[in-house]
Amino acid sequence: ILNVEQSPQSLHVQEGDSTNFTCSFPSSNFYALHWYRWETAKSPEALFVMTLNGDEKKKGRISATLNTKEGYSYLYIKGSQPEDSATYLCAFQWTNAGKSTFGDGTTLTVKP
Amino acid sequence: GAVVSQHPSRVICKSGTSVKIECRSLDFQATTMFWYRQFPKQSLMLMATSNEGSKATYEQGVEKDKFLINHASLTLSTLTVTSAHPEDSSFYICSARVASGGARSYNEQFFGPGTRLTVL
Repeated sequence: ILNVEQSPQSLHVQEGDSTNFTCSFPSSNFYALHWYRWETAKSPEALFVMTLNGDEKKKGRISATLNTKEGYSYLYIKGSQPEDSATYLCAFQWTNAGKSTFGDGTTLTVKP
Repeated sequence: GAVVSQHPSRVICKSGTSVKIECRSLDFQATTMFWYRQFPKQSLMLMATSNEGSKATYEQGVEKDKFLINHASLTLSTLTVTSAHPEDSSFYICSARVASGGARSYNEQFFGPGTRLTVL
């Protein structure tokens, strides 16, 4: 059983705050680590695919880092906005065929 | 680009009936599609991998005769829940993986919006 854990489970912040969450995954059989943003009633949206230890990726105010040796990834949001409110999922891909195990997600609520 | 549609978005059926859910990649070809199931307050659980032109591979504990998967083309996979029962009520969601050699990253998956199945 592959254990992928995300913390915290939920987070409430004020507009303008910066925040970060964690995804922990097995340090063996690593192929890729995915981050998704999932807004209610919409499709999960791919944010990042990370494959190399030490990877850092950025898209606007959102960035992510990857440590495959210790099995964790951080997602950072700088200057949170209400439109950032969503559930953020990470997925640990353990085969090149694309099979992934998902964490339970971190639900972010940004208050105006 | 990279849009995946899923139909229907919501379905209510009587116990014992079969329900078909379609997953389509609208603007790219997908040799592989994945079907997931999500129970309340739980994470997405991979049910099966659907490969175009071949039999689906199912994860441990998923009944292949209960959840029939057909991937007849590079843009369409279907999941049929046969003889549905109330315990099959769940949220089902598919994702499509881009075909290798395309412009997009080989590892990327794109999700549909999901289907809420309620079996009475």
